Amino acid sequence: EPEVTQTPSHQVTQMGQEVILRCVPISNHLYFYWYRQILGQKVEFLVSFYNNEISEKSEIFDDQFSVERPDGSNFTLKIRSTKLEDSAMYFCASSEQAGLSYNEQFFGPGTRLTVL
Amino acid sequence: RKEVEQDPGPFNVPEGATVAFNCTYSNSASQSFFWYRQDCRKEPKLLMSVYSSGNEDGRFTAQLNRASQYISLLIRDSKLSDSATYLCVVANYGQNFVFGPGTRLSVLP
Repeated sequence: EPEVTQTPSHQVTQMGQEVILRCVPISNHLYFYWYRQILGQKVEFLVSFYNNEISEKSEIFDDQFSVERPDGSNFTLKIRSTKLEDSAMYFCASSEQAGLSYNEQFFGPGTRLTVL
Repeated sequence: RKEVEQDPGPFNVPEGATVAFNCTYSNSASQSFFWYRQDCRKEPKLLMSVYSSGNEDGRFTAQLNRASQYISLLIRDSKLSDSATYLCVVANYGQNFVFGPGTRLSVLP
């Protein structure tokens, strides 16, 4: 069964460093998303991406964040200068389509980011 | 008012029990509704989409009331493996998911 994959599973970094989280969405999916979940809190939307551009982003997704689809398979989230409060689980998700009523999103296993 | 609200939980039930989860959402323009389950420190996994007419998948039944902006999930004959956090998810037309805080379920032997 096709699945979303993410690397690394755990990333530890120093405050102020740049990190890149990587995702490989399901191959025939066209819509890609990043979410985050701070420990003990709910899952929060960061950004959605379609046709090589951001289609929607939340207030969390400020200038420190960027996304890219550098090739036909990878989808990355970059945090330029990490802060302590960026520590969270980051989930990538993809969906086959959007704009319809039942656009299920499939989630990757997540990258746990720890900022020291 | 929070966008998606759920029963605070946790629910502790014996095996074989029937358990119901409730969810309300604030955005009347919401178009898509789902239940996901999340095991500890794992990703959300789709349990079922929720259709206007209600839908059933084995022991699981989901209902949607658009007028009341209310969604429910019923689990019958609960199993130990049903222990997880159940997430109510709402989406506007084709866009990002809005997650509820989740309700934790523990099924006890």
